[in-house]
Amino acid sequence: KQEVTQIPAALSVPEGENLVLNCSFTDSAIYNLQWFRQDPGKGLTSLLLIQSSQREQTSGRLNASLDKSSGRSTLYIAASQPGDSATYLCAVSGANNLFFGTGTRLTVIP
Amino acid sequence: NAGVMQNPRHLVRRRGQEARLRCSPMKGHSHVYWYRQLPEEGLKFMVYLQKENIIDESGMPKERFSAEFPKEGPSILRIQQVVRGDSAAYFCASSPYSTGSYNEQFFGPGTRLTVL
Repeated sequence: KQEVTQIPAALSVPEGENLVLNCSFTDSAIYNLQWFRQDPGKGLTSLLLIQSSQREQTSGRLNASLDKSSGRSTLYIAASQPGDSATYLCAVSGANNLFFGTGTRLTVIP
Repeated sequence: NAGVMQNPRHLVRRRGQEARLRCSPMKGHSHVYWYRQLPEEGLKFMVYLQKENIIDESGMPKERFSAEFPKEGPSILRIQQVVRGDSAAYFCASSPYSTGSYNEQFFGPGTRLTVL
């Protein structure tokens, strides 16, 4: 059964810092990997989707990488801003559904 | 193009009542997924439906929970005789395809169910 782990569980950084969030998964037979953002009491916003054949995807200040063979993905956030404060979720796709990690709660201090 | 819509956004029920959660997928999407997020836990898959068909319900509790996606209208997640442990956020997602690397799921804002 697929298990997804995200480290660290919480992270606090000063504004302007670059940071990396980590995601690992146990079964490398995935279709794709998605990174989401969740604000308190809100829904999920899709940030990036990396197809299983891809190594990375970029959107603005965000860059996500995927290493299927080692079961790892990272989300790099450049020049962090207070508005980036949220919980970041990693999810890998199985045949019919997504398997989610428990998230990293990010706080960017002004 | 409106996103995935869910209603109600908040639902309060007393123990033993029924809860009905609705989800309208994005235009052009015929695949719907339901997930549950218990307090301080990650999202867990419940059920995957296409129009008039349940494809995978491996994450659904065996009793009291059911889901449908009729030919016309929204998908419905129904919880009968709710208990306090059902209190959670229920998220619906939709996608244009069933599987494959291009299958991106788009999520609704969720329904937060509170059972008194």
